[in-house]
Formats: sequence, structure tokens, C-alpha cells
Amino acid sequence: KQEVTQIPAALSVPEGENLVLNCSFTDSAIYNLQWFRQDPGKGLTSLLLIQSSQREQTSGRLNASLDKSSGRSTLYIAASQPGDSATYLCAVVYNTDKLIFGTGTRLQVFP
Amino acid sequence: EPEVTQTPSHQVTQMGQEVILRCVPISNHLYFYWYRQILGQKVEFLVSFYNNEISEKSEIFDDQFSVERPDGSNFTLKIRSTKLEDSAMYFCASSEAHGTGGGTFFGQGTRLTVV
Repeated sequence: KQEVTQIPAALSVPEGENLVLNCSFTDSAIYNLQWFRQDPGKGLTSLLLIQSSQREQTSGRLNASLDKSSGRSTLYIAASQPGDSATYLCAVVYNTDKLIFGTGTRLQVFP
Repeated sequence: EPEVTQTPSHQVTQMGQEVILRCVPISNHLYFYWYRQILGQKVEFLVSFYNNEISEKSEIFDDQFSVERPDGSNFTLKIRSTKLEDSAMYFCASSEAHGTGGGTFFGQGTRLTVV
């Protein structure tokens, strides 16, 4: 069964810290992987998309890496800010059109 | 910036009633989706739609559910006879390419409460 797991489930850090969120998937034959941000009661905002042939993608203070062979992706957030507080979701696509989501990491950045 | 829009943002309905959730996908996208998220749980795939037909559906998407693209812009999800367990946030999404090669973009969701 194709499953996506995210650790930690929750993370609380002081402002300014660099942090790493982890995503693992059981079947390494992914087509691509996407990281999303979800604010409480809100929709999903796409952060980064990594194609299966890529190793990493960067957008501002965010960097996502992909290691297909080990079934892992990490989202690195540099110099975290209180505005980064949200739930971060990892989702993978296999040879269909649907996204398979992880359970998310709930991040709180305190001043 | 183009976005997926969903209406209504909240819907309260009585058990057994029909509801229609509406979405306007991004205009040049060809693939459309519905997902749902029960409170505190994962986001789950319901159905994908391409070229005016369902391309894939999950076990959740039973005969109570249907989708339609009634015109060139709207994409709807109908639940024929709602149950308490249908209470969830429903997300519409769209993508430009097969396998979401260009990424999938989500609306803000419709919170459905069945009482």
C-alpha cells in the first residue's frame, strides 16, 4: 500500500531557528512530490513541487529535497518566523493523477 | 495570480438532504479534483475528472457522490443524501497536466456540516 508519513507530528520552535520537516513514502516510484502549507480551517497553499528527476527545489527561505531511492523528502525552513506557523503537508503522485497526503507536521514558531 | 475558487465557504445541511458544492478551477487547467479532510485527519482523494469524465475515483466516492462540469468554467460535487459522516472540509483542485506535472492547486475549501 502506498503510504506517506510525516515526522514530527508537531514542532514548536523559537523565532529564527532553522528547521527540517520530514516526509517518507513507502513506494519510491513516485512521479512527483509536492509540499503544501495549511493554515487552520483554510485551504492548501502549494509551496514547492519536486519532479521525480529532481533532487531539490528552492523558494525563498524554503528548500525541499528529494531522495527517491530512500523514499524521503525534507522541507528545510531557514530563519523561521511566527508567520510560518501552520501545518505543512507532503503529498506524492504515482502513475495516476491523485495526490496521496501525509498526516502533516503542525509547526508553531513563537517570538 | 490565478486561483481555484469554491462556494459556499460553509454549508450546513440536514441529514438526508442533497448538497452541491461548487468550484471554478484555474482557467487553463484540464484536470479537476475533489478531496476531503475530516477534522483532524488526512486529506483524502475523492475523484479526478478529465475530458468530461471521471478518470479515477476512490472507495469513498460511492453512488451518493457525483461530479459534473455543467459549463466551461464550473465543476461541481453533488452528495445526493448526506450522512453525518460526510461532515468534512471539501477541497476542489485543478492541474494543468497529467500526473499533476505542473503541480496541483487547491481552493480554500467548503466546510460541510451535516446535522
